[in-house]
Amino acid sequence: SQQGEEDPQALSIQEGENATMNCSYKTSINNLQWYRQNSGRGLVHLILIRSNEREKHSGRLRVTLDTSKKSSSLLITASRAADTASYFCATGPFGNEKLTFGTGTRLTIIP
Amino acid sequence: KAGVTQTPRYLIKTRGQQVTLSCSPISGHRSVSWYQQTPGQGLQFLFEYFSETQRNKGNFPGRFSGRQFSNSRSEMNVSTLELGDSALYLCASSSEGPRGEAFFGQGTRLTVV
Repeated sequence: SQQGEEDPQALSIQEGENATMNCSYKTSINNLQWYRQNSGRGLVHLILIRSNEREKHSGRLRVTLDTSKKSSSLLITASRAADTASYFCATGPFGNEKLTFGTGTRLTIIP
Repeated sequence: KAGVTQTPRYLIKTRGQQVTLSCSPISGHRSVSWYQQTPGQGLQFLFEYFSETQRNKGNFPGRFSGRQFSNSRSEMNVSTLELGDSALYLCASSSEGPRGEAFFGQGTRLTVV
């Protein structure tokens, strides 16, 4: 079963705009990770934020984590056509349990 | 540094047959996880191996099995294939296990006819 639920399921924006997607999860976590998947290919790791962190940046990506609300958001600024992909959040456990993926957000950037 | 390599990339099998998929992790990574991805169910965890031992297992029937070799390469096997086994099978390796960044291969697209 999925630990995380992404919202929205699909998002279409104009190139150059910012894209925000959200992830909610159910249980306590050690970290939360975001991945990108281009159509039918493997997942690419974007960013990892630990449970004691509130915000993290990497290039045009900004991730926030609110452990009290069990939620995270991924912001992609100044979007490009190449950002068109599915984005997944994944929650990392405290022990050696599995990394659990959410349902994903399908992002389409319109040139 | 070479990435995670999965072979084959594409596979077509008939119902009732069995299939073996292979995954070579990044050098030095001892944790290998397998996922099944379908449009309806999303990314579902199959199992994780660490130093040749299965550490975690998802909710899949016994027809799905795996193993890991001493060089950390891993294989997964699906016996008595069903149409519903058609999916993208993804392998991921990690140096830290589930708590760390996972590096994914390009996947094996299995079609059961």
